[in-house]
Amino acid sequence: DVKVTQSSRYLVKRTGEKVFLECVQDMDHENMFWYRQDPGLGLRLIYFSYDVKMKEKGDIPEGYSVSREKKERFSLILESASTNQTSMYLCASSSGIGYTFGSGTRLTVV
Amino acid sequence: GIQVEQSPPDLILQEGANSTLRCNFSDSVNNLQWFHQNPWGQLINLFYIPSGTKQNGRLSATTVATERYSLLYISSSQTTDSGVYFCAVEGYSTLTFGKGTMLLVSP
Repeated sequence: DVKVTQSSRYLVKRTGEKVFLECVQDMDHENMFWYRQDPGLGLRLIYFSYDVKMKEKGDIPEGYSVSREKKERFSLILESASTNQTSMYLCASSSGIGYTFGSGTRLTVV
Repeated sequence: GIQVEQSPPDLILQEGANSTLRCNFSDSVNNLQWFHQNPWGQLINLFYIPSGTKQNGRLSATTVATERYSLLYISSSQTTDSGVYFCAVEGYSTLTFGKGTMLLVSP
């Protein structure tokens, strides 16, 4: 069964900390994505990548960066976490025929 | 970008009832998927259906691409069907989600 694995299910971090959210897929997909989900706002795209070392901004990239050093791994980085980044973060991968999502990381910034 | 509208926003059903969820989108799409978000937050892919009709057990979906809508049918609903159902479409860029339909199936 194809898989997208997010390293943490729940995470609590302090304001100002540097936070890494990791995502790994085992499907050899070129395309990977990071979304955040908030009540009333739905799912919004933060960053995506169509290839190794390549990244594109999504709809809400401010306060975030990403890293894709290997095809199977796509990391989301919060350089200096803030309380308004408390959210559910969802990673996905795609070969161009449908997206597969990970189980999500609930991040709380205190 | 593409606009995606789902209806109804909320739905309450008695176990055993049937329901139809609708997704309207504003432009041509290369990809349309229906997802079910479980209580733990994971998005489970139900259908990849940019056009045509597919069935999987008690669930089926139809997309009429020329008229820019898709329908998700749930028959003989069960309490485990409760959760949020999302329609998501991809035009020439990335996947855009609707706001979802929250379904509650009561015993």
